[in-house]
Amino acid sequence: DADVTQTPRNRITKTGKRIMLECSQTKGHDRMYWYRQDPGLGLRLIYYSFDVKDINKGEISDGYSVSRQAQAKFSLSLESAIPNQTALYFCATSDYKGLENTGELFFGEGSRLTVL
Amino acid sequence: AQSVTQPDIHITVSEGASLELRCNYSYGATPYLFWYVQSPGQGLQLLLKYFSGDTLVQGIKGFEAEFKRSQSSFNLRKPSVHWSDAAEYFCAVGAFSGGGADGLTFGKGTHLIIQP
Repeated sequence: DADVTQTPRNRITKTGKRIMLECSQTKGHDRMYWYRQDPGLGLRLIYYSFDVKDINKGEISDGYSVSRQAQAKFSLSLESAIPNQTALYFCATSDYKGLENTGELFFGEGSRLTVL
Repeated sequence: AQSVTQPDIHITVSEGASLELRCNYSYGATPYLFWYVQSPGQGLQLLLKYFSGDTLVQGIKGFEAEFKRSQSSFNLRKPSVHWSDAAEYFCAVGAFSGGGADGLTFGKGTHLIIQP
């Protein structure tokens, strides 16, 4: 089984619908992230969380919200989806070990979202 | 804030030929540098990382990268490419303070095409 699991893997929805993408991890990492990938734009950070009480906005948080339900679970919500939120979404984790921390990210396989 | 530039959007290389993918970063302090690979329909896999020590870093699948502080570069190389190397390659940088805790900043990616 994958260490970082994203559901659903593919989703087609309509403009105005509420969508939730879920991420769970078995790596025991404390830090979790949501990125968005668009062709030609690379990966851009949406939100990140250091623990269940610490949520931070990334570069492109507008139109998104997140919830850290537990150390192992981090969900991304689109309250009212719009077509330009069509993208590939990645969840990632990182293990903070003080001075040993390098920031290496471990990725899920991605959730492809299409908003019509 | 840090940034990453991958000047080549697409690169085409013949199978068996050598490869160099360019990456330039901008960050005021000691950077943590990464190369990730994304095969079609897959998540991102770490190829290699640099955060201190020897500036020539060996990674998986026969890849290596060299950190050149004077040129703010971290170019990825492989002496002989295989058809299975066809993929999207991302360079990323993390901030030293907090060790990339705020998430990595990614370049826009280089799409590698392998010709028979």
